Amino acid sequence: SAVISQKPSRDICQRGTSLTIQCQVDSQVTMMFWYRQQPGQSLTLIATANQGSEATYESGFVIDKFPISRPNLTFSTLTVSNMSPEDSSIYLCSVGLAGDFGEQYFGPGTRLTVT
Amino acid sequence: GQNIDQPTEMTATEGAIVQINCTYQTSGFNGLFWYQQHAGEAPTFLSYNVLDGLEEKGRFSSFLSRSKGYSYLLLKELQMKDSASYLCAAKDSNYQLIWGAGTKLIIKP
Repeated sequence: SAVISQKPSRDICQRGTSLTIQCQVDSQVTMMFWYRQQPGQSLTLIATANQGSEATYESGFVIDKFPISRPNLTFSTLTVSNMSPEDSSIYLCSVGLAGDFGEQYFGPGTRLTVT
Repeated sequence: GQNIDQPTEMTATEGAIVQINCTYQTSGFNGLFWYQQHAGEAPTFLSYNVLDGLEEKGRFSSFLSRSKGYSYLLLKELQMKDSASYLCAAKDSNYQLIWGAGTKLIIKP
């Protein structure tokens, strides 16, 4: 398994501003993922961030709105840019381990409220 | 398109058994995962099935039928702490996880 931390754990932001969320893993991992989860709903993949390559964004998500950095094998950031109330959500990072199952392990999440 | 279906909510009694069903339609298939998510917390990995049959892990078991595109999670001897959402996720041909909306399980004393 992997231990994953995220900062901040929660934030309340003004419309039009940006917030950068950090994800730190206690071991080197190739595959990192960023998800969004609206209250009471399932996970929506925003992008896959593999070290050494550009992030791959899912349909409906663009780099200008959600720029991602992946400077090394233990760290990644997701920025939510020019925020609107619709961006209020929980943002989760996860890592995929090359183990028997390839399961993903999740960070504790960042609860974002945009006013 | 790709789709995962699971019931929105289920209620069960402490000490009883509950089965949470999941059906999937994906482009290719490379396994099915079950995750548990307590309110306000991150999902945690419960089980993985890639071959047909039952995988047992303590009070929790997971079953897969690839021909039917069907899985279930079986929880025995329910405890109050089992109250959570249970997420089903199938891995497609690109090894991408397709997530269900989750089943909220309510345990009553």
